[in-house]
Formats: sequence, structure tokens, C-alpha cells
Amino acid sequence: DTEVTQTPKHLVMGMTNKKSLKCEQHMGHRAMYWYKQKAKKPPELMFVYSYEKLSINESVPSRFSPECPNSSLLNLHLHALQPEDSALYLCASSLKPQSKRGGFVGQFFGPGTRLTVL
Amino acid sequence: AQTVTQSQPEMSVQEAETVTLSCTYDTSESDYYLFWYKQPPSRQMILVIRQEAYKQQNATENRFSVNFQKAAKSFSLKISDSQLGDAAMYFCAYRSALSQFYFGTGTSLTVIP
Repeated sequence: DTEVTQTPKHLVMGMTNKKSLKCEQHMGHRAMYWYKQKAKKPPELMFVYSYEKLSINESVPSRFSPECPNSSLLNLHLHALQPEDSALYLCASSLKPQSKRGGFVGQFFGPGTRLTVL
Repeated sequence: AQTVTQSQPEMSVQEAETVTLSCTYDTSESDYYLFWYKQPPSRQMILVIRQEAYKQQNATENRFSVNFQKAAKSFSLKISDSQLGDAAMYFCAYRSALSQFYFGTGTSLTVIP
């Protein structure tokens, strides 16, 4: 199994809603990432989890709340979002850097969740 | 922090021809990894090719190859025999020793039939 899955594929929510995005991988990767991507722009890093612990938070507003319940799952809880938060949200996973040389150290990306905030 | 620069926002190539996309980066690390990702209109990010900084040999994957110049901090992507399916946004990416990934601003490639 060499893929990252994300659900839902599309999400439309109002500014007062609470919703969650889900990401799953079964490749044994211990680093997982959330990115936000606007059209024709590069992915912007939001959060990095390393061994289920939050290791990087790129000054993301508190209306985005990540959670890593176990080594295969990554959630992003959304609450009181703004219209400017509408974007493609990408999840990715990778091996840890301590992996021996020669191992794949790139990121596998999920297909993303297209979020629209009304 | 590391920076990745792609100076060509848009490029075009005739089908079956060769095109080179440029990427430069700035780092003080000696051990790192470089990648080219492709993002077609579906917006699925697809890994095209990777290069380990400790390897001197340029990576090759079928029609895709890189020109890795470590001293110059340059990492260009060459696409040979371009096909219509190569049309996409291409992102150069740098992976640090701390598992952080830094992306360039992207190059939009158009393939002309």
C-alpha cells in the first residue's frame, strides 16, 4: 500500500460550522504533514507531526486544529473558518530522516480536500 | 531557512521536443534531498524525480533527468520527448535534515501539439 488517502474530496462549509478533514497512510511513515494550497501557488506548510507529536506549527490560526491519533491517521479540525481559508488542503507523509541512506525520503501526497468556506 | 527559487513562472515546449526547467536553492546543510513534483490539473502532487545531495551522479527516470550542480546549488529538470500529458505545474522541492520540505513557486509547463 503506497498511497495516502484523504476524505472528504470536497467540502463546503459555513463560517459557523465545525468539520474535520481526515488523512490516512499505511506505509509506516512517521512524519505527516498538512499543507494549504491556493490555485497556481506552491503548497504552504501548516503542520508537521513526527512520531505522532506536533513538531512544527507554522503560525497557523487556532481555527485550524490538527490531531494525530495514531501513526497512520492525521486529522485537521476546522471551526469558524473564513472565506479566505477556501483552498486545497493536502496531506503528505514521509520517512523520518534517520532512515538509512537509499530509502525513499520524499513525500507521498494525498489527493487533497477541496474546501470552500461560504 | 532554506529557500527554493524557480525563476520561470511559465514555459512551453513543442510536443516531442526537450525542455529544461530551472531551480536554485539556498542552504547551509551538506546532506539534503531535492525533488521535482508534478501537479496536473487534477491537483494530485506526483513525484517525478529525486536527487540525494551526497550522490554525484545525476538522477534519471525515463524521459526525466536532472542536472544537479551542488556547488552552484542548482537543480534543473530536463524533460525529453515531451508529451501532452507532461503539461502541468512543476514544483522543485528541498528536504532538510529535519524533514521539512520547502517548495519553489512553480513553473507552469504547456505542451504544444
